[in-house]
Amino acid sequence: AQRVTQPEKLLSVFKGAPVELKCNYSYSGSPELFWYVQYSRQRLQLLLRHISRESIKGFTADLNKGETSFHLKKPFAQEEDSAMYYCALSGRYGGATNKLIFGTGTLLAVQP
Amino acid sequence: GAGVSQSPSNKVTEKGKDVELRCDPISGHTALYWYRQSLGQGLEFLIYFQGNSAPDKSGLPSDRFSAERTGGSVSTLTIQRTQQEDSAVYLCASSLGSSDTQYFGPGTRLTVL
Repeated sequence: AQRVTQPEKLLSVFKGAPVELKCNYSYSGSPELFWYVQYSRQRLQLLLRHISRESIKGFTADLNKGETSFHLKKPFAQEEDSAMYYCALSGRYGGATNKLIFGTGTLLAVQP
Repeated sequence: GAGVSQSPSNKVTEKGKDVELRCDPISGHTALYWYRQSLGQGLEFLIYFQGNSAPDKSGLPSDRFSAERTGGSVSTLTIQRTQQEDSAVYLCASSLGSSDTQYFGPGTRLTVL
């Protein structure tokens, strides 16, 4: 079964500390992995996708197929990073459906 | 340009009533998705439309749920005979094509009393 697991509901760090938001997935095939972010009172928006291999707002994520993980990292957290982060995967099932399967989310709280 | 819009932003209804939720995708986007965000269930896929193809309804939780997309643009999600467990935030997303980034609307918060 396709599944995305985010083991931490809440991650609290101090400003300037490193951040790692964990994501593991289960999928038979070659999925595409994403991180979405939802800031307070804002809509869900894409942060990054693994095929882009880019850094957005200082965040990076590397797909590790051996460990089936796609952890989100940032070396120095900032207060404005406080938000809900969702890991998601997309796979195609005999067609072109690109539905996203989401994890339950991790709330990142960056303390001053 | 304008993003995905949804209406109403909030809807309170009584158990057993029917509700309609509306989604206006980004102009030119051929793919449209409905998701549901509820406590304890997280974000769940409901239904997907792509151009003129038959929709993927695999995520609809029961036959009380249905959706239409008229003219390849606006979509309406209808829930018949609402139940309390239908209370959730219903999110719509659209993308240029089936493999492109999905852009989400602000959601409709549905409360069934």
